[in-house]
Amino acid sequence: QVQLVESGGGLVKPGGSLRLSCAASGFTFSDTYMTWVRQAPGKGLEWVSYISGRGSPIYYADSVKGRFTISRDNAKNSLFLRMDNLRAEDTAMYYCASMKWNYSPRFDFWGQGTLVTVSS
Amino acid sequence: NFVLTQPHSVSESPGKTVTISCTGSSGRIASNFVQWYQQRPGSAPTTVIYEDSDRPSAVPDRFSGSIDSSSNSASLTISGLKTEDEADYYCQSYDGTNLVFGGGTKLTVL
Repeated sequence: QVQLVESGGGLVKPGGSLRLSCAASGFTFSDTYMTWVRQAPGKGLEWVSYISGRGSPIYYADSVKGRFTISRDNAKNSLFLRMDNLRAEDTAMYYCASMKWNYSPRFDFWGQGTLVTVSS
Repeated sequence: NFVLTQPHSVSESPGKTVTISCTGSSGRIASNFVQWYQQRPGSAPTTVIYEDSDRPSAVPDRFSGSIDSSSNSASLTISGLKTEDEADYYCQSYDGTNLVFGGGTKLTVL
């Protein structure tokens, strides 16, 4: 069965950096678009970034463009999110999810999330 | 930017039917598929409707989705409400570059 397991969250100071990882299994990772979605405490879902199976194209939400970098290692069935220059408003649960495309994209399977807290 | 607007909350009694709307800010909501996700407290979202009106096999047929092009909106209808349906529901679509979520609707079944 499909499994997505996130790791790497934690407490970081404003301006700091963090790298999230997502270990995938149960599907052909290299053929699958992957994405990060976040949810601030008590708030709604916000799409962050997605990456194609081959590593390009890549897209980011305006709120993270220039600060976050998504990448993947298909040999290790892993997805990453490098987060730099973190702000308090980046505090959220970060979910890794697989995507499906049929004319337009949607989220398919989700991990359980990893919590990022940005605070001094 | 393309925005999807949902009511903040809805409530209904067990056994009744509820409809949650999702209205697009511009363009034609029918231009891209709309999905609906259910999120229970402390859990990751799961899909209840995809591609406007299709249901994953594990989702009961009490859940249905539709598109109304005249009002540029999508709807999620849940019939025969059960207490287990109490959750947050999010619509989602695409603007050609970004995946977009509605703000979410808290469904209370009381």
